[in-house]
Amino acid sequence: DTGVSQDPRHKITKRGQNVTFRCDPISEHNRLYWYRQTLGQGPEFLTYFQNEAQLEKSRLLSDRFSAERPKGSFSTLEIQRTEQGDSAMYLCASSPGGRDKNYEQYFGPGTRLTVT
Amino acid sequence: SQQGEEDPQALSIQEGENATMNCSYKTSINNLQWYRQNSGRGLVHLILIRSNEREKHSGRLRVTLDTSKKSSSLLITASRAADTASYFCAHLSGSARQLTFGSGTQLTVLP
Repeated sequence: DTGVSQDPRHKITKRGQNVTFRCDPISEHNRLYWYRQTLGQGPEFLTYFQNEAQLEKSRLLSDRFSAERPKGSFSTLEIQRTEQGDSAMYLCASSPGGRDKNYEQYFGPGTRLTVT
Repeated sequence: SQQGEEDPQALSIQEGENATMNCSYKTSINNLQWYRQNSGRGLVHLILIRSNEREKHSGRLRVTLDTSKKSSSLLITASRAADTASYFCAHLSGSARQLTFGSGTQLTVLP
């Protein structure tokens, strides 16, 4: 399977715990995005990597959130001291970038986080 | 936060009927994209229409774009039960070229 993969698919955690999600993008894609989606809403942008550099963060990404993409390959998203409001689907997407301005993005299946 | 609205929020039709979903956005765009999301799953890219295009077809999908009204529509013809999903319009924004999504239309196709 050469698509975007995410792990785990589901995570249930207690409030206050830390959680980490992983995304493996399509191998030749240098652009990687994280989005958060709450029930009944469209995804909202969290952060963006071009290769290993984190170039953009949205205001949704509080200081409890951190993301990395070592060596420009897989990426991790960590949430510290989880709150019930963090319950959502976390989606990863990758894009080949380049000179094509269309920037079609390919999404993974998402990680559904439930904070109890 | 989302910068677009979709209409209707929910649509229920019989198999074989056509489904039309509308999307409005607020900024100037290079292109507009439509995605499908099955319940609890990731998004699948359906079709992209460039800002200089007015209409585009792909199989049973027909997308229109009116940049003067900042609106787009997605028509699914001869719907099937397997078309049941949420449909989102999205456009690129920001320096990261991230996608800004509408609020989505939940389509239910009854067999």
